[in-house]
Amino acid sequence: QVQLVQSGAEVKKPGASVMVSCKTSGYTFINHGISWVRQAPGQGLEWMGWTSAYNGNTHYVQKLRGRVTMTTDTSTSTAYMELRSLTSDDTAVYYCARLAVAGSLDAFDIWGQGTMVTVSS
Amino acid sequence: QPALTQPASVSGSPGQSITISCTGTSSDVGGYNYVSWYQHHPGKAPKLIIFEVTNRPSGVSNRFSGSKSGNTASLTISGLQADDEADYYCSSYATGSILVFGGGTKLTVL
Repeated sequence: QVQLVQSGAEVKKPGASVMVSCKTSGYTFINHGISWVRQAPGQGLEWMGWTSAYNGNTHYVQKLRGRVTMTTDTSTSTAYMELRSLTSDDTAVYYCARLAVAGSLDAFDIWGQGTMVTVSS
Repeated sequence: QPALTQPASVSGSPGQSITISCTGTSSDVGGYNYVSWYQHHPGKAPKLIIFEVTNRPSGVSNRFSGSKSGNTASLTISGLQADDEADYYCSSYATGSILVFGGGTKLTVL
């Protein structure tokens, strides 16, 4: 079955960087883009951006541009999200999610289990 | 501040129907038929229940239905069940090739 399995929880100090991985299986990786969504404690879902697994094109939400990089590795069917210059505001559960329709920022039909990133001194 | 406005909470008794609204602008909800709804039980991954305003993914109960009028989309859940108690989020494609979420609605089944 289609699965997205994310890396484990992280604790980082302010100013550090974090990389979260999202290992996919059960489908042809390059046929679907991957988006990243986060949820801070007590808050709602926040879309961060997406990357095409076909050609590596990316589009990030404006508030994170310059601090976030989303990449894919087609040899391992894995997506990555790196966030730099962390602050306490970045403390959140980070989800990867598969775009349901190739090339269309429409709906996310499969989600990873989430990765808790805690930023604390 | 979430781009799309949802009521913070709604409630209903088992068997009843409830509707959750999601209000945006002509740059998102009103301008595109790319509204989705997600059910999110705390501690679990969100689940897609409606896409492209009215469509249900395979396996999602037909008790869930979606609609849109102008800049407001709606999710209706009929025949409420205890397991429907969760947070519900709408999302929409928006001008500028971005995606926006609503602030979420907590559904309580009384």
